[in-house]
Amino acid sequence: GAVVSQHPSRVICKSGTSVKIECRSLDFQATTMFWYRQFPKQSLMLMATSNEGSKATYEQGVEKDKFLINHASLTLSTLTVTSAHPEDSSFYICSARTVMNTEAFFGQGTRLTVV
Amino acid sequence: GESVGLHLPTLSVQEGDNSIINCAYSNSASDYFIWYKQESGKGPQFIIDIRSNMDKRQGQRVTVLLNKTVKHLSLQIAATQPGDSAVYFCAEKRGGTGRRALTFGSGTRLQVQP
Repeated sequence: GAVVSQHPSRVICKSGTSVKIECRSLDFQATTMFWYRQFPKQSLMLMATSNEGSKATYEQGVEKDKFLINHASLTLSTLTVTSAHPEDSSFYICSARTVMNTEAFFGQGTRLTVV
Repeated sequence: GESVGLHLPTLSVQEGDNSIINCAYSNSASDYFIWYKQESGKGPQFIIDIRSNMDKRQGQRVTVLLNKTVKHLSLQIAATQPGDSAVYFCAEKRGGTGRRALTFGSGTRLQVQP
């Protein structure tokens, strides 16, 4: 299957700083990318849908000014957690899909710890 | 609200036995379903999918059954192995283009006893 690479896999940052997470589709063009958040022992919760070249669509309750999403190319989307706080500590996962494909391919996730 | 949910949070089976993981969904407009396996600290890994115009699909050691009448989805794993231990999620996609996100169920942890 297609490969989605997410970087970094782990990051620790101080409260108040910003962290950028990258999601790359390595062997296909991803017209749509999705960002999920997962707390321990819970399911994946969709944060936002990102279409290349347009603004991301955020789910209800997700602060767009706090979780900045950029999808500047067909192979790269970034999620920036701004002014991070300990409650932002979580596992963030991206997935990518082309319009023609229904299956979504997932990155390996990023474990964010805010101290 | 509409959701995809699972009946059992944890399933423990003996190595070599068959496993059945169940999932209930409530949106009749869903037209595509996927089962994912997630190991600790990793992203979901695609196992098998099925479209709503089918009721059964088989892969290598896995079978997915879809019952649209009762909005029920199941994943059957034959001859379960220790490497199958993980959390399994069902996910649905509602009708439309590939731009729609998947909605995930709450997950079932499969524990395979040697």
